[in-house]
Amino acid sequence: DIVMTQSPDSLAVSLGERATINCKSSQSILYTSNNKNNLAWYQQKPGQPPKLLIYWASTRESGVPDRFSGSGSGTDFTLTISGLQAEDVAVYYCQQFYTTPRTFGQGTRLEIK
Amino acid sequence: QVQLVQSGVEVKKPGASVKVSCKASGYNFIGYYIHWVRQAPGHGLEWMGWINPNNGGIYYAQKFQGRVTMTRDTSISTAYMDLKRLQSDDTAVYYCAREDIGGYYHYWGQGTLVTVSS
Repeated sequence: DIVMTQSPDSLAVSLGERATINCKSSQSILYTSNNKNNLAWYQQKPGQPPKLLIYWASTRESGVPDRFSGSGSGTDFTLTISGLQAEDVAVYYCQQFYTTPRTFGQGTRLEIK
Repeated sequence: QVQLVQSGVEVKKPGASVKVSCKASGYNFIGYYIHWVRQAPGHGLEWMGWINPNNGGIYYAQKFQGRVTMTRDTSISTAYMDLKRLQSDDTAVYYCAREDIGGYYHYWGQGTLVTVSS
């Protein structure tokens, strides 16, 4: 199974500042046939299902604010929130969809400093 | 619009079984895999398996093999997740999610809380 490891486990950032969350996979999740990284980022707020933010590692889902961006390739990935807003307080998960079983990172809790 | 609507809260005793439903609407049900993901209180997301609504094909996470059964009824666009021999650590919110063409999950059900307690 591919193990997804996020860092840090929790993060406190001031409003308007940048938040950076990292995700590392235990093996490459890059499909060389189409040069796409099979990684998604989700945001989860209390009492709600996860919400898709980013897929293919860097493609922003429709309707997601452009302060959210994804980067990385192979085994190392980053979710960046530029200009943190109060509504961004949530737990963020990465997930690989390169192979089955699908696996998630353990989550990163983002709070306001 | 695409919707996945799950069945309601369940309270079960240890050793019992639970069957959670996930009714799809707003798209061609047989065209997209349905995955099941659970989340224990205060914990992260745990993938359980998927079902191909077109032919009933399934894949279960090793942890749940022998205890979980995923089925579907195409006539009512509904997928089901049946979990047997429940224990207290099966207490969780169970989600269904539709796999998009790329493999990620754009659409999720609202979640079903299953509580296992004597």
